[in-house]
Amino acid sequence: AQRVTQPEKLLSVFKGAPVELKCNYSYSGSPELFWYVQYSRQRLELLVRHISRESIKGFTADLNKGETSFHLKKPFAQEEDSAMYYCALTQGGSEKLVFGKGTKLTVNP
Amino acid sequence: GAVVSQHPSWVICKSGTSVKIECRSLDFQATTMFWYRQFPKQSLMLMATSNEGSKATYEQGVEKDKFLINHASLTLSTLTVTSAHPEDSSFYICSATGPAYEQYFGPGTRLTVT
Repeated sequence: AQRVTQPEKLLSVFKGAPVELKCNYSYSGSPELFWYVQYSRQRLELLVRHISRESIKGFTADLNKGETSFHLKKPFAQEEDSAMYYCALTQGGSEKLVFGKGTKLTVNP
Repeated sequence: GAVVSQHPSWVICKSGTSVKIECRSLDFQATTMFWYRQFPKQSLMLMATSNEGSKATYEQGVEKDKFLINHASLTLSTLTVTSAHPEDSSFYICSATGPAYEQYFGPGTRLTVT
């Protein structure tokens, strides 16, 4: 069965520091990977989609099929990046999203 | 951009009553919508896939008779929690597949059953 693992429940960094949120997946086919962000009391927003390779708000993620990882990175964290981050995948051809448990990022001043 | 709305944003009901939650795609048509449940400080759990003009597809362990889904038009899906009990209290979120097959999420509905 497909699974998305986010090993860090909480991550805290200082403003200006690099940040990396880890995501590993298990799926036998060719998944499509996503990162969603949920700011406090807000709806989920798409942050990164691996097929588009577009960078939103300075975040990037590279799909590493060998390591089955899709880690989210930003070189210089900002306080407004504090939020919940969810890694997710869709299973070949389906629109159904499978979410990881999420990582709460706190960027300290 | 594509917007999904939910109504109501917060509802309190008494145990044993039914509650209907609406999910609308405001500026695009969605043949497929999804309903999720999110417990406090936890991830989203997919409950069911709502298909316009046909029956919803429920995930394993989700009671279809308790969580009735109707997708009567290309812009509206409804989730009815029947005979609600306190354990049904949760945050219910819908999403719709929009342009470029991207998922757009609603703001969620907080259900409290007393």
